[in-house]
Amino acid sequence: EAQVTQNPRYLITVTGKKLTVTCSQNMNHEYMSWYRQDPGLGLRQIYYSMNVEVTDKGDVPEGYKVSRKEKRNFPLILESPSPNQTSLYFCASSPTPRVQGEKLFFGSGTQLSVL
Amino acid sequence: KQEVTQIPAALSVPEGENLVLNCSFTDSAIYNLQWFRQDPGKGLTSLLLIQSSQREQTSGRLNASLDKSSGRSTLYIAASQPGDSATYLCAVHPWMEYGNKLVFGAGTILRVKS
Repeated sequence: EAQVTQNPRYLITVTGKKLTVTCSQNMNHEYMSWYRQDPGLGLRQIYYSMNVEVTDKGDVPEGYKVSRKEKRNFPLILESPSPNQTSLYFCASSPTPRVQGEKLFFGSGTQLSVL
Repeated sequence: KQEVTQIPAALSVPEGENLVLNCSFTDSAIYNLQWFRQDPGKGLTSLLLIQSSQREQTSGRLNASLDKSSGRSTLYIAASQPGDSATYLCAVHPWMEYGNKLVFGAGTILRVKS
């Protein structure tokens, strides 16, 4: 089944403890991105990747890192999480970034709480 | 900068009622507009996608319209059911934005009472 898989689904951590949220897609998509969703603000893009080893900042990149060493994986790294990073996180992918407006496929989300 | 607004923020209706959710966007230069459904603790389900050249799309009891020149879209739900209770998100693909980004509204929380 074609899908975007995020892990974990739920995560509770403490301020300053490094964590990684994984995202994997099995559709051979070139484009992947991360969003966060906060009440009253909708989803906002954190980072995106046009292909392996090509990443760029979205609208709210502060406090986050990403890497794209393999086509299928796009982990989101919080080196020193803070309470304001408590949010619902979504990973998304699409076949090729050269086609603008292409439909995005979303993962099921990761609810992160930073105490 | 593209901004998307959804009105109302929350809506409660009795079962069987027809209803309209509204979405507005500030820049008419878009590739397409998409409506999503989000259930608590779950991901996003794409309901309808309207290309910028289209005026509407229909799927079952759902009908979405797009008026690009005025920056508006509506999602019409006919004969609402309790199972329609969810958060509905509107999102646009801005024209010429690098990176295939979607810009989302904050959503409308719908509750259909039985």
